[in-house]
Amino acid sequence: NAGVMQNPRHLVRRRGQEARLRCSPMKGHSHVYWYRQLPEEGLKFMVYLQKENIIDESGMPKERFSAEFPKEGPSILRIQQVVRGDSAAYFCASSPNGQGAPYEQYFGPGTRLTVT
Amino acid sequence: GEDVEQSLFLSVREGDSSVINCTYTDSSSTYLYWYKQEPGAGLQLLTYIFSNMDMKQDQRLTVLLNKKDKHLSLRIADTQTGDSAIYFCAETDTGGFKTIFGAGTRLFVKA
Repeated sequence: NAGVMQNPRHLVRRRGQEARLRCSPMKGHSHVYWYRQLPEEGLKFMVYLQKENIIDESGMPKERFSAEFPKEGPSILRIQQVVRGDSAAYFCASSPNGQGAPYEQYFGPGTRLTVT
Repeated sequence: GEDVEQSLFLSVREGDSSVINCTYTDSSSTYLYWYKQEPGAGLQLLTYIFSNMDMKQDQRLTVLLNKKDKHLSLRIADTQTGDSAIYFCAETDTGGFKTIFGAGTRLFVKA
């Protein structure tokens, strides 16, 4: 059973370009979470999605950032018109269920975005 | 809002015990977690504890929870060089899905 997969692992974008980060959850998992980790900091929750639904996006900046988890295919985190402050590691996690107990989130290896 | 705090660094000698501490503010936390992050990798769940438990032991790992003081600790017995990593304390909010992470404790193990 393959783990959570993210690609690309490293992404370099110039200011003003768009960044697309992909996350394929573990087989059988229908819940996806995106986190951002700035250098020397912990992970900050961005968004929680189920298939075709955004459940909670309270941690996502209102502008330039969007996320989707279509019925088929990976979850996508999209950052438009990137700025230097967007440089960070973006982690995706998946779980078989959302609420309820107990649950675990399985993390992918992350995408390291560098904005030049 | 919810907050999780940890000390940033810990250095121990190989074979000694390591104790990593964490405090949290959300009194309605349901689950508390310890994750390990090795360089360039994602987070690996080490262990978790329900808020109605005081202690959980799993091989070399012992988790202690003081709910009154909102204090969580992770003890690693017989620490090895392979234990060198960043350890994150985390808790789930009342909804059960949004995980709040501390900034991480960098554990250095000296041979």
